[in-house]
Amino acid sequence: QVQLQESGPGLVKPSQTLSLTCTVSGGSISRGGYYWSWIRQHPGKGLEWIGFIYYSGSAYYNPSLSSRVTISVDTSNNQFSLKLSSVTAADTAVYYCARVSTPSTGNFFDYWGQGTLVTVSS
Amino acid sequence: SSELTQDPAVSVALGQTVRITCQGDTLRSNYASWYQQKPGQAPVLVIYGKNNRPSVIPDRFSGSSSGNTASLTITGAQAEDEADYYCNSRDSSGRHNYVFGTGTKVTVL
Repeated sequence: QVQLQESGPGLVKPSQTLSLTCTVSGGSISRGGYYWSWIRQHPGKGLEWIGFIYYSGSAYYNPSLSSRVTISVDTSNNQFSLKLSSVTAADTAVYYCARVSTPSTGNFFDYWGQGTLVTVSS
Repeated sequence: SSELTQDPAVSVALGQTVRITCQGDTLRSNYASWYQQKPGQAPVLVIYGKNNRPSVIPDRFSGSSSGNTASLTITGAQAEDEADYYCNSRDSSGRHNYVFGTGTKVTVL
């Protein structure tokens, strides 16, 4: 059973960089065949895909966030990370990490972390 | 277009059938996946591909698609099905850009 767990600061100051890590257990990121994704949810709102990464390091981002987002992977520790720069209050959200399965019929998010609330405030 | 539109809310009587729809141009060429989210919890995958369910999802959940509309049907809704439901699909541009629907709140009466 694959499990994902987000970790990182729950409070970030405006203009700073939000940094989160997702630790994967029950399966190796290096195995391949899956992407590893970040998704966020503003309070009381819907879901927003941020981006995902393959174990090789190939990453894809939501065009609306791409200028501020970097996703990286650390296969030795079975983790992947999110960095979001120049944050504002509009980046306050619950951030989820998720595994992406990639069959020919289209990708889907099959395992999710529990989510972590990040508040941007001075 | 990269938008997926859902009705904000639907209600269903206990044991009856409810269909939740998701509309968007990308659905003409891409399947939707569907996620159930209960308050304070992470989303859970309920349907993917043409009409596939993870093994832990009851068979009262099913999916279908026609034209620019994907549908999630709950046949014989239970109290525990009350939740928010989101569709998701790839952007119609062909890029790796994934869009979630606006979400539907399902109330079981």
